[in-house]
Amino acid sequence: SYELTQAPSVSVSPGQTARITCSGDALPKKYAYWYQQKSGQAPVLVIYEDSKRPAGIPERISGSSSGTMATLTISGAQVDDEADYYCYSTDSNAYHRVFGGGTKLTVL
Amino acid sequence: QVKLVESGGSVVQPGGSLRLSCVASGFTFRTHGMNWVRQAPGKGLEWVAFISFDGTKKGYADSVKGRLTISRDTSKNTLYLQMNSLRPEETAVYYCAREQVSVYGETYMDVWGKGTTVTVSS
Repeated sequence: SYELTQAPSVSVSPGQTARITCSGDALPKKYAYWYQQKSGQAPVLVIYEDSKRPAGIPERISGSSSGTMATLTISGAQVDDEADYYCYSTDSNAYHRVFGGGTKLTVL
Repeated sequence: QVKLVESGGSVVQPGGSLRLSCVASGFTFRTHGMNWVRQAPGKGLEWVAFISFDGTKKGYADSVKGRLTISRDTSKNTLYLQMNSLRPEETAVYYCAREQVSVYGETYMDVWGKGTTVTVSS
């Protein structure tokens, strides 16, 4: 089955730029989606179709994709951005979905 | 506002059964596919099951096929997950999530409930 691969953790200082990557063989043909999950809370969609932000998501959160890798970028990272971030895609089976393993972002 | 509220989670013995519910409000339930996603303690998100807007198409993760069944009742705006032959490793928070279809025909989950906790233990 399809897999999306993420680094387990990323750490930055406040104000720096955090980049979280997701690799998958189907990404050249599929869009990437990103979810933010803060401790004890449900996931929240922060990026869809590679680079679009839902209403209410700050502009410093952005997304891009090239080839087999998608990237979530958080510019000027804040302590409030500390969370687990998951990439997502659909499988070649139209009725299956897949999440990446998640990346824990630490801002300190 | 758009809302999903899960219920039905509890402590159950290995091999036991449980039915989870997810009540939708604030949107037209019958026009959206729905998913169940779970998260074991300290672990990542794991997609469990999908059901199409009309209930005719379903998909399951290999780990749950044959034991968990997703269904929906449009008259009650409710999504269900029937869980049989439960295993200790299925202890998790179970989330329901609404599916959205992009202009490019891809699907993704745009609204999530707060989750309900299932503990499988003797």
